[in-house]
Amino acid sequence: EAEVAQSPRYKITEKSQAVAFWCDPISGHATLYWYRQILGQGPELLVQFQDESVVDDSQLPKDRFSAERLKGVDSTLKIQPAELGDSAMYLCASSSTVYNEQFFGPGTRLTVL
Amino acid sequence: ILNVEQSPQSLHVQEGDSTNFTCSFPSSNFYALHWYRWETAKSPEALFVMTLNGDEKKKGRISATLNTKEGYSYLYIKGSQPEDSATYLCAFMNKAAGNKLTFGGGTRVLVKP
Repeated sequence: EAEVAQSPRYKITEKSQAVAFWCDPISGHATLYWYRQILGQGPELLVQFQDESVVDDSQLPKDRFSAERLKGVDSTLKIQPAELGDSAMYLCASSSTVYNEQFFGPGTRLTVL
Repeated sequence: ILNVEQSPQSLHVQEGDSTNFTCSFPSSNFYALHWYRWETAKSPEALFVMTLNGDEKKKGRISATLNTKEGYSYLYIKGSQPEDSATYLCAFMNKAAGNKLTFGGGTRVLVKP
């Protein structure tokens, strides 16, 4: 069964360091999403791609966060520099169309010390 | 800001008992309501995508109803089993907000043997 892959699963870093997360969506899914989930809250959309284009990054803190999906397949989310408040679960999801169910990866648990 | 509320935040259920919980969302500009199940250390898994007022969907012992006019959805678990222990997330898709999913904070269900 096709799955969304994410790595690493866990990341511990010190504040002011750079971190990067990788996501490989289900093959053929044009839409890719990055979410941040803080404990006790629901996932919040950070950025949405349609193929290689960003269609929504309104909630992405652009002073420190960046995301790319250069060939319209896998994607990287970067944080530089990391801050204590960035500690969260970072989820990647993909869907065949924007109206269909989203398929999630297992997430990357980030801890910033 | 779209407000999606889930209640209760958590509940304990005895094995074999049935339970239900609520997702409330804005009733205007409704497009779709998604339910996801998120087990610890696993990926969130789509349960239902609901689009029609009065819709009822079922998957095994789990079912959901939708009332778009008053802005709520119920999720029911019949004869709860320990493997039903998870966080259940609802997510609302609003026509005016494009294709963005706004998640509730989730209901954490713990089924005790």
